[in-house]
Amino acid sequence: AQSVTQLGSHVSVSEGALVLLRCNYSSSVPPYLFWYVQYPNQGLQLLLKYTSAATLVKGINGFEAEFKKSETSFHLTKPSAHMSDAAEYFCAVSVGNTPLVFGKGTRLSVIA
Amino acid sequence: EADIYQTPRYLVIGTGKKITLECSQTMGHDKMYWYQQDPGMELHLIHYSYGVNSTEKGDLSSESTVSRIRTEHFPLTLESARPSHTSQYLCASSRGGNEDTQYFGPGTRLTVL
Repeated sequence: AQSVTQLGSHVSVSEGALVLLRCNYSSSVPPYLFWYVQYPNQGLQLLLKYTSAATLVKGINGFEAEFKKSETSFHLTKPSAHMSDAAEYFCAVSVGNTPLVFGKGTRLSVIA
Repeated sequence: EADIYQTPRYLVIGTGKKITLECSQTMGHDKMYWYQQDPGMELHLIHYSYGVNSTEKGDLSSESTVSRIRTEHFPLTLESARPSHTSQYLCASSRGGNEDTQYFGPGTRLTVL
């Protein structure tokens, strides 16, 4: 069965610093991979997804992620953090006809 | 902008009451999902449906039930609410493919006293 591990339940960065949120997956077949963001008191919204096309995927709000099969990773990055990036971020994997499997989430704090 | 709606947004009720959380989408999506999420914590899939008259239990055992009589509507019912049901409930929908995006509603925050 597939699974997702997000390293670090809480990441704190300074405004303007690099954002790196880590996600590793486990799957016996090529997966589809997703990053979602959740702002307080809201549902989740898609940041970006990998669907077996380009391995470097660009998403909304300046975020991007790179699919690395050899490392079974799909880390999320943003060159320069903004205060508005403070939120909860979830990595998810989809394989076969089963529902998405979400990681436990990483809370991003941005310090002024 | 996703067209998926949940009502009510907030609900405070007493123990033993029967409640129904509503979820509707206007995108014609075949697949719909219910998740339970405690504050600042991971999502747990409690029910899902791949089409009309199709419902499945998710990974987290739940005392709730669901129905899918119409494509656009996927209500969740608690026959007798308890304080342990206090949580946020998120509804989502997607098209048929595994690569398709799940669109989430804004959630219902339920408090059972």
